[in-house]
Amino acid sequence: EADIYQTPRYLVIGTGKKITLECSQTMGHDKMYWYQQDPGMELHLIHYSYGVNSTEKGDLSSESTVSRIRTEHFPLTLESARPSHTSQYLCASSEQHYGYTFGSGTRLTVV
Amino acid sequence: DQQVKQNSPSLSVQEGRISILNCDYTNSMFDYFLWYKKYPAEGPTFLISISSIKDKNEDGRFTVFLNKSAKHLSLHIVPSQPGDSAVYFCAALNRDDKIIFGKGTRLHILP
Repeated sequence: EADIYQTPRYLVIGTGKKITLECSQTMGHDKMYWYQQDPGMELHLIHYSYGVNSTEKGDLSSESTVSRIRTEHFPLTLESARPSHTSQYLCASSEQHYGYTFGSGTRLTVV
Repeated sequence: DQQVKQNSPSLSVQEGRISILNCDYTNSMFDYFLWYKKYPAEGPTFLISISSIKDKNEDGRFTVFLNKSAKHLSLHIVPSQPGDSAVYFCAALNRDDKIIFGKGTRLHILP
């Protein structure tokens, strides 16, 4: 009964490949976020969007890009994956001042 | 520089006893604090929150205490149950509605 969906859950891909991580929410939230988390580390904000056609980079520099063409959809793209991109990627959405609802995450491994 | 600090990477507590997870923050402008719970390979789920105008919020077995003068908050779980074993993230909401997370504390509930 999750209202925010991430696909794929797990992805193993070779170096140099282009990948897109999907994130969709059905709650009508304007605000959406992408976090990156390495094991034992805090969640780092890499991208956020406050509405359609609005995207901003987060606190942690990332080589990924995002787009927000529709309210419910906030995909993240890596043009050329590298082993250093191996991590867990978490998508979230929120209403004003109510905290975030997270998706289940995508665990990416680049070999 | 970390704005939200969880100085205990892990904590082990006997089933039935009280679990106390601690968190410190540095930014006095934070006005809303949250605790998230995370199981492996899943996204964080919201647990409980507290506004800076309060010093305590209770929800069932979970209570969050806020000491603004000390810039400290804690999460109490009583009684602790096996299903409480997870990583707990302390987080603060800034004025831009972005959440700043701590590194997390791994809680082990011992039988």
